[in-house]
Amino acid sequence: AQSVTQLDSQVPVFEEAPVELRCNYSSSVSVYLFWYVQYPNQGLQLLLKYLSGSTLVKGINGFEAEFNKSQTSFHLRKPSVHINDTAEYFCAVSPQGSGNTPLVFGKGTRLSVIA
Amino acid sequence: EPEVTQTPSHQVTQMGQEVILRCVPISNHLYFYWYRQILGQKVEFLVSFYNNEISEKSEIFDDQFSVERPDGSNFTLKIRSTKLEDSAMYFCATTTGQGQETQYFGPGTRLLVL
Repeated sequence: AQSVTQLDSQVPVFEEAPVELRCNYSSSVSVYLFWYVQYPNQGLQLLLKYLSGSTLVKGINGFEAEFNKSQTSFHLRKPSVHINDTAEYFCAVSPQGSGNTPLVFGKGTRLSVIA
Repeated sequence: EPEVTQTPSHQVTQMGQEVILRCVPISNHLYFYWYRQILGQKVEFLVSFYNNEISEKSEIFDDQFSVERPDGSNFTLKIRSTKLEDSAMYFCATTTGQGQETQYFGPGTRLLVL
C-alpha cells in the first residue's frame, strides 16, 4: 500500500517570493507521482507528473517538482508566485505498472499568496 | 478543452434518503473513478469502473454505494440511505483507460447530509 504525507497544511507566502510545498511518500513498490491543484470552487487540475526519466519535472504555470527516490520525496517548487497561485495543492501517487490504478492523495497544502 | 462535468454542484439531503450523483465523462474516456473528500481530510478513492463493471473498490465503498452507467454517457454514484458521515465533496475522474495516464477530475458535488 502507498501513503502520502504533505507536511504543511498551510503555506503563506508573499507575491513574487519563491515557494516549496513538501511531499513525502511511502511505498513498497515503485510509484508514479503527481501534483494536482484545486482552485476555489473548481475540480482537481493536473500540475505535473513523474512517470520515469528525468527526476526534474516541469509543469504548468511555472511549477516544477523533483523526484528524490532516496528521500522518497516529490517537492513542488515555484521561483516566483503570483496572487492567482492561491489554491489547494495535492500530492498523489499510484503504483507503477498497474495501469489505471486509483490515486492515493496527501491531505493537501493550502497556498496563500499575499500581495 | 474537454471537461468532466458533475451534477448537482451542491446537494442537501436528510439522513436516510437516497442520493444520486452524476458525472459526464470526457467523450472518449472509458475508465471512471469516484473519490470523496470529507472536509479537512484527504481525497479518498471509492471505486473505479470499466467496461460496465466495477474494476476496483475501497473499503469505504460498502453496500450503501452503487455505480452504473445507465445510458452510455452519464456515470452515476448512488448512496442508498445516506448517513451524516457521507457529507463530503465527491469527485468524478476519468481516463481513456489505455494505461497509467492523467486522471481528469470534475468540479465535484458537495453533499451535505442533515
